[in-house]
Amino acid sequence: QKEVEQDPGPLSVPEGAIVSLNCTYSNSAFQYFMWYRQYSRKGPELLMYTYSSGNKEDGRFTAQVDKSSKYISLFIRDSQPSDSATYLCAMTRRYSGTYKYIFGTGTRLKVLA
Amino acid sequence: EPEVTQTPSHQVTQMGQEVILRCVPISNHLYFYWYRQILGQKVEFLVSFYNNEISEKSEIFDDQFSVERPDGSNFTLKIRSTKLEDSAMYFCASSETPDGTNYGYTFGSGTRLTVV
Repeated sequence: QKEVEQDPGPLSVPEGAIVSLNCTYSNSAFQYFMWYRQYSRKGPELLMYTYSSGNKEDGRFTAQVDKSSKYISLFIRDSQPSDSATYLCAMTRRYSGTYKYIFGTGTRLKVLA
Repeated sequence: EPEVTQTPSHQVTQMGQEVILRCVPISNHLYFYWYRQILGQKVEFLVSFYNNEISEKSEIFDDQFSVERPDGSNFTLKIRSTKLEDSAMYFCASSETPDGTNYGYTFGSGTRLTVV
C-alpha cells in the first residue's frame, strides 16, 4: 500500500462548483498536513497547512483532516477557471527531530468557464 | 512577497557530466530542502539541510548527490555523474520551521534538468 494515495483525475467542474479533493494515507503517525497548488511547469504553492485533526478555513478553501479514517480533504468553494491546476497533498511525521514531507501524486483540476 | 529563486530554469547536460543546481532560499529561513519531480510523477523528497549539515535524506540521495551552502545565501545541489534517469524537475524549498508550521515550505519555480 502506498503511503499517500491521491486520485490523479483529471477532475472537470463548471465554474462556481464546490470542488472536493482528497487524499488517504496509511501511516497513522502522520500529524502535519499541507495542500499545495501547482500550475504547469511551476513550483508548488502552499494553500493550507494543518496540524492533527480538524478543519481550517481560508477564504474559499477549507482543509479537513480525519486522522481516525486517515483521510484529508480540500474543499474549494465558488471555483474559478484560475483554480485550474494540479493539487498536491503532503504530509509528514517527526523523524528524530526532522521531517520529510511525502507528497501525493496530485489531482488535476479543470474549472470550465 | 519573499520567494525562493532557482537557477538555471533549464539545464541540458550530457550523461556522465557534473551539474550544479543553485538556489537562493528566503533570507530568514533556516531549513532548506531539495525535492524532485520526474515528468508526470509525484514530487519526491531528496534531502533536508539545517545548520550546515544534512538532517535527513532519502534513498534517492546516493553518493552521486551532494548539497552545500557555500555562503550565506546560496544552497546548491550537485550531481556528480549524471544519468539519464536524473532527468527531472528539481525544486528547492525553504522554511522557517522544520515541520512547516503555519507557513509551510516555500518552493522555487524549479530547474528542469535534461540528461542526454
